[in-house]
Amino acid sequence: EAGVAQSPRYKIIEKRQSVAFWCNPISGHATLYWYQQILGQGPKLLIQFQNNGVVDDSQLPKDRFSAERLKGVDSTLKIQPAKLEDSAVYLCASSSPGYNEQFFGPGTRLTVL
Amino acid sequence: AQSVTQLGSHVSVSEGALVLLRCNYSSSVPPYLFWYVQYPNQGLQLLLKYTSAATLVKGINGFEAEFKKSETSFHLTKPSAHMSDAAEYFCAVSDLNDYKLSFGAGTTVTVRA
Repeated sequence: EAGVAQSPRYKIIEKRQSVAFWCNPISGHATLYWYQQILGQGPKLLIQFQNNGVVDDSQLPKDRFSAERLKGVDSTLKIQPAKLEDSAVYLCASSSPGYNEQFFGPGTRLTVL
Repeated sequence: AQSVTQLGSHVSVSEGALVLLRCNYSSSVPPYLFWYVQYPNQGLQLLLKYTSAATLVKGINGFEAEFKKSETSFHLTKPSAHMSDAAEYFCAVSDLNDYKLSFGAGTTVTVRA
């Protein structure tokens, strides 16, 4: 069974530029999560999708971050414009409905200069 | 909201020695508890989870954790450390009816030869 796929693995941009990350969850997993992991900290949930609907985006900085999951499968997370403090690893995870185990992708490491 | 505290940001052990990583949770109702491991430049991998069944939980790679309600703790142990155990370890918690994860700050384990 293929795991959660993410791309790109690494991205370096200048502040005020925009960037997008892509995630393809495990086949059949209806729930998808995006986490932000700042160096030296644990992952922090940004947004949770159930199929193509948003369940929780309370921690998403909506002035600059956006996410979508249009067809209920893969998802994109966008930052526009990026700030220095957005430098982090962005992790995508997925799970089956009603199942309390999340499976994580390898992450995208973003560096904002 | 649920939260966990990991005591000690860095732990150094000798190869073959006991590994003990501490995690305490804050909740009046026993939640679901998890330990994840993260190797450099990789995503998170589930080591083990507590879901209100047995209080002593065995996981992968020889790790186990004991849920102690009286101490609100879920410490992770491994009797004999191996060089391959060098990684970052995260304790996480979720509510019983909501599978969103809240992570601790992480503990980095180094193993000395």
